[in-house]
Amino acid sequence: GDSVTQMEGPVTLSEEAFLTINCTYTATGYPSLFWYVQYPGEGLQLLLKATKADDKGSNKGFEATYRKETTSFHLEKGSVQVSDSAVYFCALSGRADGLTFGKGTHLIIQP
Amino acid sequence: EPEVTQTPSHQVTQMGQEVILRCVPISNHLYFYWYRQILGQKVEFLVSFYNNEISEKSEIFDDQFSVERPDGSNFTLKIRSTKLEDSAMYFCASSRGDNTEAFFGQGTRLTVV
Repeated sequence: GDSVTQMEGPVTLSEEAFLTINCTYTATGYPSLFWYVQYPGEGLQLLLKATKADDKGSNKGFEATYRKETTSFHLEKGSVQVSDSAVYFCALSGRADGLTFGKGTHLIIQP
Repeated sequence: EPEVTQTPSHQVTQMGQEVILRCVPISNHLYFYWYRQILGQKVEFLVSFYNNEISEKSEIFDDQFSVERPDGSNFTLKIRSTKLEDSAMYFCASSRGDNTEAFFGQGTRLTVV
């Protein structure tokens, strides 16, 4: 079945550091790929998405490129801020309904 | 900006009791979902609902679970006889169409004691 694997956290960085959160997936067919973010006390919010190979999703300085050859969708940001502290979930939509999520990566940005 | 709303934000119930978790999806959305997240674990798909019927359900969604859209706005998840292992955060989501962006509510934290 479909699955998503993302790096374990917590990931602790200093402000303005470069961020990479790795995500790889297993799916049949051609799934759409997503990054969701969960800020403390809030629900899941879509951060960015990509619907086909080589697409790059971007939002709020975050980027991720759909790499079919490596089945990856790594999340990157060039300069993180304290306000980026949250839990980040990689997910795919490959079945008729519903999303398959990774376990989430807790990101902590220190001033 | 339209949003998915869930009530209550936190519910504590005794083992064996029935609970109903409530959700109001975004009004022009057609697909509705329930997910759960046990503390420290991944977000898991429970069920999807379209055109007034279940379109897909996971193996977690056994006979003690049911969903309903009792009117034009609410979407509920009922757990008939709660177990300790049902303690989790339950998220409702809705989307305009199949394979389009899903919008999530803030979740209901269910604690079974």
